[in-house]
Amino acid sequence: GQNIDQPTEMTATEGAIVQINCTYQTSGFNGLFWYQQHAGEAPTFLSYNVLDGLEEKGRFSSFLSRSKGYSYLLLKELQMKDSASYLCAVRDHQTGANNLFFGTGTRLTVIP
Amino acid sequence: GAVVSQHPSWVICKSGTSVKIECRSLDFQATTMFWYRQFPKQSLMLMATSNEGSKATYEQGVEKDKFLINHASLTLSTLTVTSAHPEDSSFYICSARVLAGESEQYFGPGTRLTVT
Repeated sequence: GQNIDQPTEMTATEGAIVQINCTYQTSGFNGLFWYQQHAGEAPTFLSYNVLDGLEEKGRFSSFLSRSKGYSYLLLKELQMKDSASYLCAVRDHQTGANNLFFGTGTRLTVIP
Repeated sequence: GAVVSQHPSWVICKSGTSVKIECRSLDFQATTMFWYRQFPKQSLMLMATSNEGSKATYEQGVEKDKFLINHASLTLSTLTVTSAHPEDSSFYICSARVLAGESEQYFGPGTRLTVT
């Protein structure tokens, strides 16, 4: 099965940097995704890591360590609109269809 | 590109009735579509995976006779909640993928179902 853990809630200040951690245990790891989800809306894709290291995309960066079963999403220069839930999802090829399995999500609140 | 639509965006139905939710890939052909359910303040839970022209694969604990999934074409999948009950009230989200090795799934906007 899959076991994906993230903090439930975080608060950060506008303009600051925040790191959201995700740990996972899965039998057939085949990539890790980060999604942003605003309340009542569908998730939107932020980043994808399949190899160890850092992927940078504008204000967002994502890091993966496969040996540690660990990833983080780094958000720089926080803006009020970044207040949302951030979902860590792991793709598992052993389920047959490369399904995505989601963590519980981290609700980030950006304060002035 | 890569737009997925869902219809309806929200629906209210009475207990015991059935509701059909459509998921369409608008500008690409999706070999695989996924259905998720999300309860308030919880994450997405995969319900089932469907490939065009074949039976859906349901996750453990999801009743296949209650949640009927049809993937009749490469651009359309439907989820029918049969004999809906208040506990089925949730946010249902579909996603689509072009190829099995594709790195990204494209999500629809979701359908909020309320069963009274």
